[in-house]
Amino acid sequence: SYELTQPSSVSVSPGQTARITCSGDVLAKKYARWFQQKPGQAPVLVIYKDTERPSGIPERFSGSSSGTTVTLTISGAQVEDEADYYCYSATDNNLRVFGGGTKLTVL
Amino acid sequence: QVQLVESGGGVVQPGTSLRLSCAASGFTFSNYGMHWVRQAPGKGLEWVALISHDESNKYYADSVKGRFTISRDNSKNTLYLQMNSVRAEDTAVYSCAPEGGVTTPGGMDVWGQGTTVTVSS
Repeated sequence: SYELTQPSSVSVSPGQTARITCSGDVLAKKYARWFQQKPGQAPVLVIYKDTERPSGIPERFSGSSSGTTVTLTISGAQVEDEADYYCYSATDNNLRVFGGGTKLTVL
Repeated sequence: QVQLVESGGGVVQPGTSLRLSCAASGFTFSNYGMHWVRQAPGKGLEWVALISHDESNKYYADSVKGRFTISRDNSKNTLYLQMNSVRAEDTAVYSCAPEGGVTTPGGMDVWGQGTTVTVSS
């Protein structure tokens, strides 16, 4: 089966840099997306094609990729960035998969 | 404005069937592949199924393959998920999202608020 592995939680103080990793074999061949989800809300796309940021997403959000790992970086994390973050990718056989999610705490 | 509205959820008994709908508006629905994604209570996002814009290709997560069927009616701008032989583990909020970018490049940039399915005896 195809899996994407994320840390269950990351914690930073306001203004610090938060890094959330996502690992999986498919990431060596397929692009990743990152979604932010706040309680009771629909997911929001924050990064696509590993490193691209949709319009309207703050510049402090960035993505990077190396081999089988992609990383979401929030530079100067703010309290409003506290949320669950999910990576997502396609698989070799055209299925899709989400990572297990990372709870980001900013306090 | 661009909108997706899911409906059809409810409380059902194990082994029964249910059909979910996702009504799209504000964009050219027939141009986009569409996903169903679910989220069980207190759990993460789980991809369920994908259908191509013209219904020629359909893909399913292993957890639902053979039980769920994704379909669409482009004349009605509506996506469907037929859920058969439902199980307790199918309990979740079900949401739809486009594969391609509607409002911004990247895809899955528009989501509905979801419809809740509860499987319980």
